[in-house]
Amino acid sequence: DAGVIQSPRHEVTEMGQEVTLRCKPISGHDYLFWYRQTMMRGLELLIYFNNNVPIDDSGMPEDRFSAKMPNASFSTLKIQPSEPRDSAVYFCASSGDYYNEQFFGPGTRLTVL
Amino acid sequence: QQQVKQSPQSLIVQKGGISIINCAYENTAFDYFPWYQQFPGKGPALLIAIRPDVSEKKEGRFTISFNKSAKQFSLHIMDSQPGDSATYFCAASGEGRGSTLGRLYFGRGTQLTVWP
Repeated sequence: DAGVIQSPRHEVTEMGQEVTLRCKPISGHDYLFWYRQTMMRGLELLIYFNNNVPIDDSGMPEDRFSAKMPNASFSTLKIQPSEPRDSAVYFCASSGDYYNEQFFGPGTRLTVL
Repeated sequence: QQQVKQSPQSLIVQKGGISIINCAYENTAFDYFPWYQQFPGKGPALLIAIRPDVSEKKEGRFTISFNKSAKQFSLHIMDSQPGDSATYFCAASGEGRGSTLGRLYFGRGTQLTVWP
């Protein structure tokens, strides 16, 4: 298995632009997680899905952030409009079950100028 | 509110020494406690995990010690090597008392540097 796949790996955009991050979880995994990592705030859970249904989105910073999981093999995290404070590394992770380990993707480094 | 508190924030250890990272939690519903290791430019990866039915779990040079009554757990790295230099995250999971099924609550991380 190729593991969790994220794209793009790096994204540089200007303030106000729309940004879409993509994730392909490991086949057969029922849980998908979106995290944001910064020096100031550490690793923060933004939202997670179980069987394509959002379970907890309490970590989504504000309405500018939205996430979808249209099927079991694809998820997106969208930021519209983007702001410089959104600059961070965004990770997608998936797991097969409640107690199973979460497998993290390589992350997307987002820079908003 | 940070559900899992981790210390120290950074740790410098001589090669061959013991690295100890501590975590504490409040939610008694937590019943799964993993540690993740992250190298620069990579995503975190599971290192070792423990359930509260045991007080210790060892895998090679890595040991988790768990104290249920104190609601604390720690990671011990024996014979620390330069290749262990990474950021370590403790985490906890469990359903109930405000926590949701399947979600991991991460500590803030400890940056470990092992000098040769």
